[in-house]
Amino acid sequence: TQLLEQSPQFLSIQEGENLTVYCNSSSVFSSLQWYRQEPGEGPVLLVTVVTGGEVKKLKRLTFQFGDARKDSSLHITAAQPGDTGLYLCAGSLTGNQFYFGTGTSLTVIP
Amino acid sequence: SAVISQKPSRDICQRGTSLTIQCQVDSQVTMMFWYRQQPGQSLTLIATANQGSEATYESGFVIDKFPISRPNLTFSTLTVSNMSPEDSSIYLCSAQTRFNEQFFGPGTRLTVL
Repeated sequence: TQLLEQSPQFLSIQEGENLTVYCNSSSVFSSLQWYRQEPGEGPVLLVTVVTGGEVKKLKRLTFQFGDARKDSSLHITAAQPGDTGLYLCAGSLTGNQFYFGTGTSLTVIP
Repeated sequence: SAVISQKPSRDICQRGTSLTIQCQVDSQVTMMFWYRQQPGQSLTLIATANQGSEATYESGFVIDKFPISRPNLTFSTLTVSNMSPEDSSIYLCSAQTRFNEQFFGPGTRLTVL
């Protein structure tokens, strides 16, 4: 059983559209991270959130940590083909190891 | 930040043999981890590589199958022992800084015939 469930699992959208990816759990996390991974490469850290209710923005990407620190969302505005990739959330229970979510594969069609 | 290199980048191995994957970090980091990933899927944590002591394994992974070493703060190895086709996967090394930022190597793609 995966500690973190992501939805949707697959997402294919047109360039310019907006989208939201969800990361849910029944566990409370000390911190949560979002990564993007492209084929043949390791995941690249996008953001870390540590406070319940925290919102962070990275250009067109908005990350939110749930008030109870059990869930998170990633919103992309005006998606571009360069946003294509596998998006992964990862949560830490103790501040050491991070456990990864099930992943969301995003394809942005030009 | 930290830059991580892994060797080999890929390998094709015969059933019953063993492969050792090396992970080198360009700066001192607090923690190092080994993950396994099927293409297009999520990452599964294998173990935490502890400097100078035995690794801490996650449920479902054992030292006899995946022996890990970490002789210093910047280097670790993972051995996949007595391989079977089920071990075919991408193996990723990661390093965590004192700011809890985690950086990944490019991965080692292993195919077992």
